[in-house]
Amino acid sequence: KAGVTQTPRYLIKTRGQQVTLSCSPISGHRSVSWYQQTPGQGLQFLFEYFSETQRNKGNFPGRFSGRQFSNSRSEMNVSTLELGDSALYLCASNDGRGDNNEQFFGPGTRLTVL
Amino acid sequence: LAKTTQPISMDSYEGQEVNITCSHNNIATNDYITWYQQFPSQGPRFIIQGYKTKVTNEVASLFIPADRKSSTLSLPRVSLSDTAVYYCLVGDLYNQGGKLIFGQGTELSVKP
Repeated sequence: KAGVTQTPRYLIKTRGQQVTLSCSPISGHRSVSWYQQTPGQGLQFLFEYFSETQRNKGNFPGRFSGRQFSNSRSEMNVSTLELGDSALYLCASNDGRGDNNEQFFGPGTRLTVL
Repeated sequence: LAKTTQPISMDSYEGQEVNITCSHNNIATNDYITWYQQFPSQGPRFIIQGYKTKVTNEVASLFIPADRKSSTLSLPRVSLSDTAVYYCLVGDLYNQGGKLIFGQGTELSVKP
């Protein structure tokens, strides 16, 4: 079974630009969560989608948004980029079962904002 | 949500058994205890999950006392490739809306 894939793996943008990151979950997984990882703040939850609906959202500004498609693929968008948005962005999928805390993480997208 | 406390760093040598203890005094009845491993610039990888007593899989064991206020991840005979950050998480992914709460983790360094 193929793992979680994320594209692109690396991105360099300048302040004020916007960016779209893509995530393809494991086949059959309907839950996709997004995280931001920085050296200072660690791993922080952005939001989660389940069957095309956002079920949960972390404490990030509205510049961070996402969506999920009918095939469970998900995209994350960051508008008006700031230097502090430089981070590793990870997505993770889960089968949505109630007794399973196992999230399968992708390799991440390394975003650098100049 | 239960807060976890674990050592910031640990050192070990190849072939030794490593035990990393995590305290979670405010664990709720529905919470599971889960451990993840992360290598630099990679996504975390699930290691093991438990609710109570002992759980063992092909890579690790998880010991949970009866009061569930702490847990110990045991890695048998570590190798250099086990050098990574290990996260202890407490919660219930389903009821937390797909949100895992990561603490600072334990940076394990395995030396030859």
